[in-house]
Amino acid sequence: SSDLTQDPAVSVALGQTVRITCQGDSLRSYHANWYQQKPGQAPAVVIYGKNKRPSGIPDRFSGSSSGNTASLTITGTQAEDEADYYCNSRDSSGNHYVFGAGTKVTVL
Amino acid sequence: QVQLVESGGGVVQPGRSLRLSCVASGFTFSTYDIHWVRQAPGKGLEWVAVISYDGSNKNYADSAKGRFTISRDNSKNTVNLQMNSLRGEDTAVYYCARERVGEWVAGVAIDWLDPWGQGTLVTVSS
Repeated sequence: SSDLTQDPAVSVALGQTVRITCQGDSLRSYHANWYQQKPGQAPAVVIYGKNKRPSGIPDRFSGSSSGNTASLTITGTQAEDEADYYCNSRDSSGNHYVFGAGTKVTVL
Repeated sequence: QVQLVESGGGVVQPGRSLRLSCVASGFTFSTYDIHWVRQAPGKGLEWVAVISYDGSNKNYADSAKGRFTISRDNSKNTVNLQMNSLRGEDTAVYYCARERVGEWVAGVAIDWLDPWGQGTLVTVSS
């Protein structure tokens, strides 16, 4: 079982906004990162440190956090955003990384 | 460019051992912590282990503790994962990833994994 809880799947109409959430007690102490994984590919970070985007990641991706919940929002979702998204943080000890179970985003 | 390349995967019988390697290029390897993360077929990501930049600190997931050993050779830009007493549930794609560290906020470092290697498949089966 994961210390971070994500909804298994969400769907969004092309061009609309979707928000994915990640809940866990450790998020009160540690930041969340978000990774995108497309079929057959390795994961790649899209948001780190709660709301920072690596270079090359479109600004339609944004992150936020409140209490024990972190969120990834895709504004104006594109077809190429269809993927699995995983949140990641540390456990309560701070010594181990943990991942959420992932959210599959389907673009309609 | 910054790159990590895993190797060493394959088919192995339950109870046997396997050693994975992760070779880095394009950055100063000896200044970064390296993680292993695995993904069972059709499942999510599971963190496995981390080794500090100089090899002095190592941490393992409970599923790996006592069976897996992470090590590194900074002269060869390589991190290894020695996996012993393998079980069917260890079947997965194993990724290595570099830990990036940014600013400190409220006494906690902002850290994330980037980049990831392409992964190597380990299949434990008789």
